[in-house]
Parts: sequence; structure tokens; C-alpha cells
Amino acid sequence: AQSVTQLGSHVSVSEGALVLLRCNYSSSVPPYLFWYVQYPNQGLQLLLKYTSAATLVKGINGFEAEFKKSETSFHLTKPSAHMSDAAEYFCAVSAPFAGGTSYGKLTFGQGTILTVHP
Amino acid sequence: EAGVTQSPTHLIKTRGQQATLRCSPISGHTSVYWYQQALGLGLQFLLWYDEGEERNRGNFPPRFSGRQFPNYSSELNVNALELEDSALYLCASSSLGATDTQYFGPGTRLTVL
Repeated sequence: AQSVTQLGSHVSVSEGALVLLRCNYSSSVPPYLFWYVQYPNQGLQLLLKYTSAATLVKGINGFEAEFKKSETSFHLTKPSAHMSDAAEYFCAVSAPFAGGTSYGKLTFGQGTILTVHP
Repeated sequence: EAGVTQSPTHLIKTRGQQATLRCSPISGHTSVYWYQQALGLGLQFLLWYDEGEERNRGNFPPRFSGRQFPNYSSELNVNALELEDSALYLCASSSLGATDTQYFGPGTRLTVL
């Protein structure tokens, strides 16, 4: 079984400030982990993914995330927020080698809405 | 390269009717996934099709069904619509099944009155 918990449904930062969006996962097998972003009235865009290679993953738009197995975490960070980063962010886990009911599907967290103030 | 496309963009139905949603995957992708994004319920996995076969199904009633065509496009059918079926339905595709990244389309907004 898999699950994802995103701490904080809303995060507000000032333009230029550090962005930190928290994600903790649970998986019975080695997971793949993803961060997606959703702008209003649009689909999901992939920011970055972890697939058991380097634990620090760099994505698009200056975002990065670090896989910490001991903490079962995959937090998303960006050193300096831009107004254009305002959106909803989703952490997701998959278990591509699990089989059973988890096979092939993404399990998403509840999402974090990021607001960026000028 | 064109991304995942979905049609229609918006769909309005009344309770009890049937809805058909369509998805065209990225060229070369053979897997199609369907997700429901309902207010307050988050993103829930519905169905996964690969090479024309249903590979996995989420915890949804049988009135949610679909199929994948030989050209890898897919349809999601929802029968006997209920008010709580109102949601954004997202389609995603991948090229290597369960081990590959899923790329999402813009979604179909279904409203049930």
C-alpha cells in the first residue's frame, strides 16, 4: 500500500523567499516519487521525479527535491520564489514493481496551494 | 511533439445520463491512465490501459468503464451519472507502462446537474 501526506494545504511566501513544500510518503516497496504542479484550470505538469538514482533531484523552473529514506520524505524547495510559481503542487508516489492494487498508479497527496506575495 | 489531448474540454450532463470522455496519448505512448479530481477528494486513480488491456482499476463502481483503441487512444464512460461525479477528469500517458513517467492532459470538466 502507498500513501502521501503533504503538510500544509496552503503555504504563503514573499517573492524572493525560500519555498519549502513538505511531502512524506509511505510505501511497502522502493518507491518512485514525483512532484507535479497544477495551474488554474489546467492539467498537471511534471516538475521532477526520483527513481532511485541520485537522492537530490533537480527539476524545472529552479525546483529541487531531496529523497530521505530514513525520514520517508521528499520535500520540494526553491531558493527564491517568483510570482509565476503561484499554483497548486502535488506530491505523488508510485510503486512500479509492486504488483497488485498499487501497480501502475500514482497515489497523490492532497496538494499544497502556494501563494507568492510581492 | 504534441502532448496528451482530451475532449471535450467541458461536458454538462444531467443525473442519470451517460458521459463519454476521450483521450489521445503522446505519440509513441502505449499506456493511458485516467484520474478523477473532485472537489474535496483530491486526485484519485480510476483506470490504467496498456496495449489495449485494462491493467489496473481504482476503487470506483462498475459504472465507470473505459477502453483503449488500437491507436492507443482511450475512452472513459460514466453511466448513470450522479451529482458527485462532477469533477475534472485527467488523462495521462506513458511509454513504458508502470515504470515510466505519466504525462497529463488538460482534463475534461464534467458537471452533472
